Amino acid sequence: SQTIHQWPATLVQPVGSPLSLECTVEGTSNPNLYWYRQAAGRGLQLLFYSVGIGQISSEVPQNLSASRPQDRQFILSSKKLLLSDSGFYLCAWSRLARENSPLHFGNGTRLTVT
Amino acid sequence: ELKVEQNPLFLSMQEGKNYTIYCNYSTTSDRLYWYRQDPGKSLESLFVLLSNGAVKQEGRLMASLDTKARLSTLHITAAVHDLSATYFCAVDGGSQGNLIFGKGTKLSVKP
Repeated sequence: SQTIHQWPATLVQPVGSPLSLECTVEGTSNPNLYWYRQAAGRGLQLLFYSVGIGQISSEVPQNLSASRPQDRQFILSSKKLLLSDSGFYLCAWSRLARENSPLHFGNGTRLTVT
Repeated sequence: ELKVEQNPLFLSMQEGKNYTIYCNYSTTSDRLYWYRQDPGKSLESLFVLLSNGAVKQEGRLMASLDTKARLSTLHITAAVHDLSATYFCAVDGGSQGNLIFGKGTKLSVKP
Protein backbone atom coordinates (compact mmCIF):
# COMPACT_ATOMS: atom_id res chain seq x y z
CA SER A 1 0.00 0.00 0.00
CA GLN A 2 1.01 3.59 -0.50
CA THR A 3 2.16 5.84 2.32
CA ILE A 4 3.19 9.46 2.47
CA HIS A 5 5.68 10.82 4.97
CA GLN A 6 6.06 14.46 5.84
CA TRP A 7 8.46 16.07 8.27
CA PRO A 8 8.97 17.77 10.57
CA ALA A 9 5.58 17.69 12.25
CA THR A 10 6.05 21.07 13.91
CA LEU A 11 8.51 23.86 13.36
CA VAL A 12 9.11 27.25 14.95
CA GLN A 13 11.36 29.54 12.95
CA PRO A 14 12.32 33.21 13.27
CA VAL A 15 11.51 35.71 10.54
CA GLY A 16 14.22 35.77 7.90
CA SER A 17 15.41 32.23 8.50
CA PRO A 18 15.40 29.54 5.77
CA LEU A 19 12.90 26.72 5.48
CA SER A 20 13.00 23.18 4.17
CA LEU A 21 10.04 20.82 4.44
CA GLU A 22 10.30 17.36 2.99
CA CYS A 23 7.74 14.88 1.73
CA THR A 24 8.23 11.37 0.41
CA VAL A 25 5.81 8.83 -0.98
CA GLU A 26 6.23 5.07 -0.82
CA GLY A 27 4.49 2.29 -2.67
CA THR A 28 3.81 4.03 -5.97
CA SER A 29 5.76 5.42 -8.88
CA ASN A 30 5.43 8.66 -10.82
CA PRO A 31 2.84 10.19 -8.52
CA ASN A 32 1.53 13.72 -8.91
CA LEU A 33 2.72 15.66 -5.88
CA TYR A 34 1.27 18.77 -4.27
CA TRP A 35 1.98 21.30 -1.55
CA TYR A 36 -1.00 22.98 0.08
CA ARG A 37 -1.09 25.53 2.89
CA GLN A 38 -3.86 26.01 5.39
CA ALA A 39 -3.80 29.26 7.33
CA ALA A 40 -5.45 29.28 10.75
CA GLY A 41 -9.21 28.84 10.46
CA ARG A 42 -9.13 28.97 6.67
CA GLY A 43 -9.36 26.67 3.70
CA LEU A 44 -6.61 25.06 1.71
CA GLN A 45 -4.51 26.96 -0.78
CA LEU A 46 -2.58 25.12 -3.48
CA LEU A 47 1.03 26.31 -3.55
CA PHE A 48 2.84 23.97 -5.96
CA TYR A 49 2.28 20.79 -7.87
CA SER A 50 4.54 18.47 -9.80
CA VAL A 51 3.84 15.82 -12.41
CA GLY A 52 7.41 14.56 -12.67
CA ILE A 53 11.02 14.97 -11.62
CA GLY A 54 12.13 18.55 -12.02
CA GLN A 55 8.67 19.68 -13.16
CA ILE A 56 7.18 22.25 -10.80
CA SER A 57 4.13 24.43 -11.31
CA SER A 58 3.54 27.37 -9.02
CA GLU A 59 0.03 28.52 -8.24
CA VAL A 60 0.77 31.46 -5.98
CA PRO A 61 3.75 33.80 -6.43
CA GLN A 62 5.51 34.26 -3.10
CA ASN A 63 8.81 33.70 -1.34
CA LEU A 64 8.40 29.93 -1.33
CA SER A 65 9.79 27.46 -3.85
CA ALA A 66 9.47 23.75 -4.46
CA SER A 67 11.71 21.08 -5.93
CA ARG A 68 11.35 17.46 -6.91
CA PRO A 69 14.82 15.93 -7.00
CA GLN A 70 13.56 12.35 -7.08
CA ASP A 71 10.38 10.69 -8.33
CA ARG A 72 8.82 10.33 -4.90
CA GLN A 73 10.38 13.28 -3.08
CA PHE A 74 8.94 16.77 -2.90
CA ILE A 75 10.60 19.63 -1.03
CA LEU A 76 9.21 23.02 -0.03
CA SER A 77 11.77 25.75 0.64
CA SER A 78 12.21 29.37 1.47
CA LYS A 79 15.35 31.49 1.70
CA LYS A 80 13.81 33.98 4.14
CA LEU A 81 10.60 33.32 6.02
CA LEU A 82 7.94 35.96 6.57
CA LEU A 83 5.42 36.12 9.41
CA SER A 84 2.70 35.45 6.83
CA ASP A 85 4.28 32.08 6.03
CA SER A 86 2.92 30.65 9.27
CA GLY A 87 0.39 27.90 8.70
CA PHE A 88 -0.25 24.21 8.31
CA TYR A 89 1.59 22.79 5.29
CA LEU A 90 0.23 19.66 3.73
CA CYS A 91 1.90 17.48 1.13
CA ALA A 92 -0.34 15.28 -0.99
CA TRP A 93 -0.05 12.77 -3.79
CA SER A 94 -2.38 11.35 -6.39
CA ARG A 95 -2.32 9.11 -9.39
CA LEU A 96 -2.94 10.63 -12.77
CA ALA A 97 -6.11 12.69 -12.91
CA ARG A 98 -7.78 10.35 -15.38
CA GLU A 99 -7.80 7.62 -12.77
CA ASN A 100 -10.18 9.70 -10.67
CA SER A 101 -8.20 9.16 -7.51
CA PRO A 102 -8.51 11.58 -4.61
CA LEU A 103 -5.56 13.40 -3.13
CA HIS A 104 -3.92 11.55 -0.27
CA PHE A 105 -2.50 13.87 2.34
CA GLY A 106 0.45 13.59 4.67
CA ASN A 107 0.15 14.41 8.35
CA GLY A 108 1.22 18.00 7.79
CA THR A 109 3.80 20.39 9.20
CA ARG A 110 2.66 23.15 11.51
CA LEU A 111 4.97 26.11 10.90
CA THR A 112 5.06 29.09 13.23
CA VAL A 113 7.18 32.03 12.15
CA THR A 114 8.06 34.30 15.08
CA GLU B 1 -12.09 31.91 -11.56
CA LEU B 2 -13.19 28.57 -10.16
CA LYS B 3 -15.13 28.93 -6.93
CA VAL B 4 -16.23 26.33 -4.44
CA GLU B 5 -18.66 27.51 -1.81
CA GLN B 6 -19.82 25.57 1.19
CA ASN B 7 -22.61 26.37 3.56
CA PRO B 8 -23.00 26.57 6.34
CA LEU B 9 -19.44 27.30 7.45
CA PHE B 10 -20.30 26.51 11.05
CA LEU B 11 -22.86 23.98 12.21
CA SER B 12 -23.79 23.10 15.76
CA MET B 13 -26.01 20.05 16.00
CA GLN B 14 -27.53 17.99 18.72
CA GLU B 15 -26.91 14.29 18.78
CA GLY B 16 -29.58 12.33 16.95
CA LYS B 17 -30.52 15.13 14.58
CA ASN B 18 -30.20 15.20 10.79
CA TYR B 19 -28.63 17.93 8.72
CA THR B 20 -27.21 18.66 5.27
CA ILE B 21 -24.07 20.49 4.21
CA TYR B 22 -24.14 22.08 0.77
CA CYS B 23 -21.32 22.53 -1.72
CA ASN B 24 -21.77 24.70 -4.82
CA TYR B 25 -19.10 25.05 -7.46
CA SER B 26 -18.67 27.18 -10.54
CA THR B 27 -16.99 24.81 -12.98
CA THR B 28 -18.42 22.07 -15.18
CA SER B 29 -16.46 19.41 -13.30
CA ASP B 30 -18.20 16.05 -13.02
CA ARG B 31 -16.03 14.91 -10.14
CA LEU B 32 -16.33 16.02 -6.55
CA TYR B 33 -14.53 14.98 -3.39
CA TRP B 34 -15.41 15.17 0.29
CA TYR B 35 -12.78 15.23 3.03
CA ARG B 36 -12.84 15.24 6.80
CA GLN B 37 -10.32 17.08 9.01
CA ASP B 38 -10.11 16.58 12.76
CA PRO B 39 -8.63 19.46 14.80
CA GLY B 40 -4.89 19.72 14.29
CA LYS B 41 -4.88 16.78 11.92
CA SER B 42 -4.55 16.18 8.20
CA LEU B 43 -7.34 15.57 5.70
CA GLU B 44 -8.96 12.18 5.27
CA SER B 45 -10.74 11.28 2.05
CA LEU B 46 -14.40 10.40 2.63
CA PHE B 47 -16.08 10.21 -0.76
CA VAL B 48 -15.23 10.48 -4.43
CA LEU B 49 -18.26 11.29 -6.60
CA LEU B 50 -17.55 10.69 -10.26
CA SER B 51 -20.75 11.38 -12.17
CA ASN B 52 -24.09 13.11 -12.17
CA GLY B 53 -26.48 11.43 -9.76
CA ALA B 54 -23.72 9.63 -7.88
CA VAL B 55 -24.59 8.77 -4.31
CA LYS B 56 -22.26 7.25 -1.75
CA GLN B 57 -22.88 6.33 1.86
CA GLU B 58 -20.59 5.47 4.72
CA GLY B 59 -22.19 5.03 8.11
CA ARG B 60 -24.17 8.14 9.04
CA LEU B 61 -22.82 10.17 6.11
CA MET B 62 -24.26 10.21 2.61
CA ALA B 63 -22.92 12.31 -0.25
CA SER B 64 -24.60 13.06 -3.56
CA LEU B 65 -23.71 14.95 -6.71
CA ASP B 66 -25.87 16.91 -9.15
CA THR B 67 -23.55 18.11 -11.91
CA LYS B 68 -26.29 19.99 -13.73
CA ALA B 69 -26.97 22.12 -10.66
CA ARG B 70 -23.24 22.10 -9.77
CA LEU B 71 -24.22 21.03 -6.30
CA SER B 72 -23.12 18.34 -3.90
CA THR B 73 -24.65 17.57 -0.54
CA LEU B 74 -23.31 15.79 2.50
CA HIS B 75 -26.19 14.51 4.59
CA ILE B 76 -25.71 13.61 8.22
CA THR B 77 -28.17 11.16 9.74
CA ALA B 78 -28.68 10.85 13.50
CA ALA B 79 -25.50 12.75 14.33
CA VAL B 80 -23.13 11.47 17.01
CA HIS B 81 -20.30 13.30 18.77
CA ASP B 82 -17.65 11.38 16.80
CA LEU B 83 -18.75 13.20 13.65
CA SER B 84 -17.51 16.51 15.04
CA ALA B 85 -14.87 17.72 12.56
CA THR B 86 -14.42 20.08 9.63
CA TYR B 87 -15.73 18.82 6.31
CA PHE B 88 -14.35 20.04 3.00
CA CYS B 89 -15.63 19.57 -0.51
CA ALA B 90 -13.28 19.92 -3.48
CA VAL B 91 -13.44 19.86 -7.27
CA ASP B 92 -10.85 19.36 -9.98
CA GLY B 93 -8.80 22.49 -10.54
CA GLY B 94 -7.20 21.45 -13.79
CA SER B 95 -5.75 18.60 -15.78
CA GLN B 96 -3.00 17.76 -13.30
CA GLY B 97 -5.18 16.42 -10.55
CA ASN B 98 -4.97 19.37 -8.19
CA LEU B 99 -8.13 20.12 -6.25
CA ILE B 100 -9.82 23.39 -5.38
CA PHE B 101 -11.28 23.28 -1.89
CA GLY B 102 -14.19 25.01 -0.26
CA LYS B 103 -13.60 26.84 3.01
CA GLY B 104 -14.89 23.93 5.03
CA THR B 105 -17.85 23.37 7.32
CA LYS B 106 -16.97 23.07 11.00
CA LEU B 107 -19.41 20.63 12.53
CA SER B 108 -19.91 20.39 16.27
CA VAL B 109 -22.22 17.68 17.59
CA LYS B 110 -23.35 18.23 21.15
CA PRO B 111 -25.01 15.73 23.46
